[in-house]
Amino acid sequence: GAVVSQHPSWVICKSGTSVKIECRSLDFQATTMFWYRQFPKQSLMLMATSNEGSKATYEQGVEKDKFLINHASLTLSTLTVTSAHPEDSSFYICSVQFTGTNTEAFFGQGTRLTVV
Amino acid sequence: QKEVEQDPGPLSVPEGAIVSLNCTYSNSAFQYFMWYRQYSRKGPELLMYTYSSGNKEDGRFTAQVDKSSKYISLFIRDSQPSDSATYLCAISPSGGYNKLIFGAGTRLAVHP
Repeated sequence: GAVVSQHPSWVICKSGTSVKIECRSLDFQATTMFWYRQFPKQSLMLMATSNEGSKATYEQGVEKDKFLINHASLTLSTLTVTSAHPEDSSFYICSVQFTGTNTEAFFGQGTRLTVV
Repeated sequence: QKEVEQDPGPLSVPEGAIVSLNCTYSNSAFQYFMWYRQYSRKGPELLMYTYSSGNKEDGRFTAQVDKSSKYISLFIRDSQPSDSATYLCAISPSGGYNKLIFGAGTRLAVHP
C-alpha cells in the first residue's frame, strides 16, 4: 500500500490566491520530508527539506516567503503556495526517506497545480 | 556541469526488446544509486536501489553501477508496453536523510 499520501491530487486556483498541499507519511514517523517541483518533461527539482518542529531548509533560488512549509507533526508536512501566479503552475511532489540500511525514498502521488 | 546527466530521449522500442538506460554523474562521493519509474502525472516509484559498484537484478530489471567510470545503467529485459514511462536515475552522497539528485529522466515508449 501507499507509504506517502499527498492531497489534493490536482487543484486549480485563481491568480493571487494561496493553495495548501498536504503530505502525510502513513504508518511511519518522518522527521524529514522533501518537497519537489516538476515542470512538464523535466526532472524533479528539490525545493526544500521539511524538518519536523523546526524551520524548513530551502534550496537556492526558492522563495521561502512564497512557498511556506510547515511540518508540525511527525506524519504531516504542508506546502502553501502563497499569492500564486501562472508561473507557479507545476507538479508538486513530496517524499519521505527513512534511515536504516538504505536511503530509499517514497513519493506521494503528486499535486498538479494550475493557476489561472 | 550538471551533477547527474541523463539523456531525456524519447526512446522507442518494440515489445520484447532489451532496453538500456544510462546516467553519468560527476561527484565520486556519491554512493547510493537509484532508479525510479514515473508514469504520466504520477509520483515516482522506486524500481532499483544499489550501493557502490556492481550489479543488482530484480526480475526483468538489472541495475549496474560502475563507480570508476561514474556511470550507472538500468537494463530492462523483455520490455512490455506497460514499461512505457519516464525513468529517472537518482543519486545520493550517503545514507540517512539526504536529498536525492535526479537526472532529467528518459521517456521510454514500448510499442506492441
